[in-house]
Amino acid sequence: KNQVEQSPQSLIILEGKNCTLQCNYTVSPFSNLRWYKQDTGRGPVSLTIMTFSENTKSNGRYTATLDADTKQSSLHITASQLSDSASYICVVTLNPPNTGNQFYFGTGTSLTVIP
Amino acid sequence: EAGVVQSPRYKIIEKKQPVAFWCNPISGHNTLYWYLQNLGQGPELLIRYENEEAVDDSQLPKDRFSAERLKGVDSTLKIQPAELGDSAVYLCASSWGFGDTQYFGPGTRLTVL
Repeated sequence: KNQVEQSPQSLIILEGKNCTLQCNYTVSPFSNLRWYKQDTGRGPVSLTIMTFSENTKSNGRYTATLDADTKQSSLHITASQLSDSASYICVVTLNPPNTGNQFYFGTGTSLTVIP
Repeated sequence: EAGVVQSPRYKIIEKKQPVAFWCNPISGHNTLYWYLQNLGQGPELLIRYENEEAVDDSQLPKDRFSAERLKGVDSTLKIQPAELGDSAVYLCASSWGFGDTQYFGPGTRLTVL
């Protein structure tokens, strides 16, 4: 069964600290993996996208890693800011996209950055 | 460039009433998605359009939900009649094509009383 699991479910960190969010998936065949940031009351916004051959991708203070062998990804946030408080969602795309479900969404990690 | 626009942002209705949501995708995007998102959960696909054709509506509860995308641009999602369990955020997203990065709208938060 194709699934995407994220951990932790929620996380509270102090401003300025680093943190790492985890995503494990069983989606196969794999096309790509995206990390989205969803602010409260807003739609998700894409942070990074990685294909099978990519191990790491950065976007400012966000760095995503992918291990396609173990089917694990992580999102590392460096020097956290209050504005990083949001839900972070891992999304895996099936390859090739078919007429069924194309995107598999995780349930997200709720991050709260406190002063 | 304007993002995906949704309206209304919030809607409160009594059960058994009809409700409709509207979505205007990013100009030029051929693929349009409607998602349902419950609190603390990831989005769940309801329907996907390629231009004006609904190519994946397997997750859409067709007894009460309907959708259309006239002229392959704007789209509406309707629920009739609404049930208590329909309370959720309804997200619209669009992309250049199938499999491309999706751009999400802010969503419509529906509360059914």
